[in-house]
Amino acid sequence: SQQGEEDPQALSIQEGENATMNCSYKTSINNLQWYRQNSGRGLVHLILIRSNEREKHSGRLRVTLDTSKKSSSLLITASRAADTASYFCATLRGGGTSYGKLTFGQGTILTVHP
Amino acid sequence: EAGVAQSPRYKIIEKRQSVAFWCNPISGHATLYWYQQILGQGPKLLIQFQNNGVVDDSQLPKDRFSAERLKGVDSTLKIQPAKLEDSAVYLCASSLIGTRGSRNVEQFFGPGTRLTVL
Repeated sequence: SQQGEEDPQALSIQEGENATMNCSYKTSINNLQWYRQNSGRGLVHLILIRSNEREKHSGRLRVTLDTSKKSSSLLITASRAADTASYFCATLRGGGTSYGKLTFGQGTILTVHP
Repeated sequence: EAGVAQSPRYKIIEKRQSVAFWCNPISGHATLYWYQQILGQGPKLLIQFQNNGVVDDSQLPKDRFSAERLKGVDSTLKIQPAKLEDSAVYLCASSLIGTRGSRNVEQFFGPGTRLTVL
């Protein structure tokens, strides 16, 4: 079953604007990761945030995590046409036996218009 | 550094036929994953190997799907016989390690094999 649910399902913006995508999940987690997928480069890891972290930055990416609300957001600032892709959150469950098993959400389709 | 390699990139078969996919992970990566991604959905884990042992195959339809990772390096995923609902992209990923003690690792994905079952 899909653990994460992304919101919105699709987002269309102009180049230079910021894009915000949200992810909600159901169970306790060890960490939450964001991935990008486009036809050119496949599925690529963007950023990982641990359950004891609240915010993390990487270049133009900012991720927040609220474990009390079981939600995360991904902010892409100053978007570019090359950011056009599907974005997925993936959770790694807490507890004993999950090893490295990631559970992906349905994804948000981001379109950035030049 | 070479990425995760997969072949073939595309495969079209008729239902009830068999098909096999091959994956070569990044050198040194102990953990290998096979995912199924149906159009419009996120990837779903089918099976996870740690070296050549199976860690998790709870979502693998074992009546028709099988996978192996001989010698802890390359892996093959087989479907026999295929059904229409198996049409999807099959993604292979690898990571350095995914044991309980070090789960904060990223996974590196291959380009995938797009399977169409007619």
